[in-house]
Amino acid sequence: NAGVTQTPKFQVLKTGQSMTLQCAQDMNHNSMYWYRQDPGMGLRLIYYSASEGTTDKGEVPNGYNVSRLNKREFSLRLESAAPSQTSVYFCASSVWGQKQPQHFGDGTRLSIL
Amino acid sequence: QQQVKQSPQSLIVQKGGISIINCAYENTAFDYFPWYQQFPGKGPALLIAIRPDVSEKKEGRFTISFNKSAKQFSLHIMDSQPGDSATYFCAASISGANNLFFGTGTRLTVIP
Repeated sequence: NAGVTQTPKFQVLKTGQSMTLQCAQDMNHNSMYWYRQDPGMGLRLIYYSASEGTTDKGEVPNGYNVSRLNKREFSLRLESAAPSQTSVYFCASSVWGQKQPQHFGDGTRLSIL
Repeated sequence: QQQVKQSPQSLIVQKGGISIINCAYENTAFDYFPWYQQFPGKGPALLIAIRPDVSEKKEGRFTISFNKSAKQFSLHIMDSQPGDSATYFCAASISGANNLFFGTGTRLTVIP
């Protein structure tokens, strides 16, 4: 019953460092998403992938890149981390035809000093 | 600019009482309105959703009321329990679009 699995759960970076957040789902879902959650702002979509090989920008894509490695995995990369990217990052997935997230992972808490 | 406005920010309800959370939107193209429940340290979980062709949808103790003319929708939790203590998010989107606009969340505390 893994659902959506995110790694790591916590990470502290220095400004300018890079890192990749990993996400995998075992529900055979086609669509996957990356959101960030900031206090007082709800969740905002960073990137979306409708299927393997396709990705689209969301509401706040600047400073991020993504890779849909296969149907199961969708990674988010910060090339040069900035303090403004301190946030909780959530990966989510949904079945084919459902264009809104149904299942979320438990998040990665990222602090950038 | 917040596409979906949610209130209150926090809510304390006695066990057995009714919890009511309200949301409002401006974009009349929105046609899908879900609610998510989030416990500390966990991701949001889809709780219940409604489309504007109905004015109310009920699932167990959770009910969404939808007022299309007022562009408002609300979540009612009947017989609130301490286990309902969580943060609740409303959201809205346009069918066919991949973005879901979230409200800012309501932290519900149900006291025994």
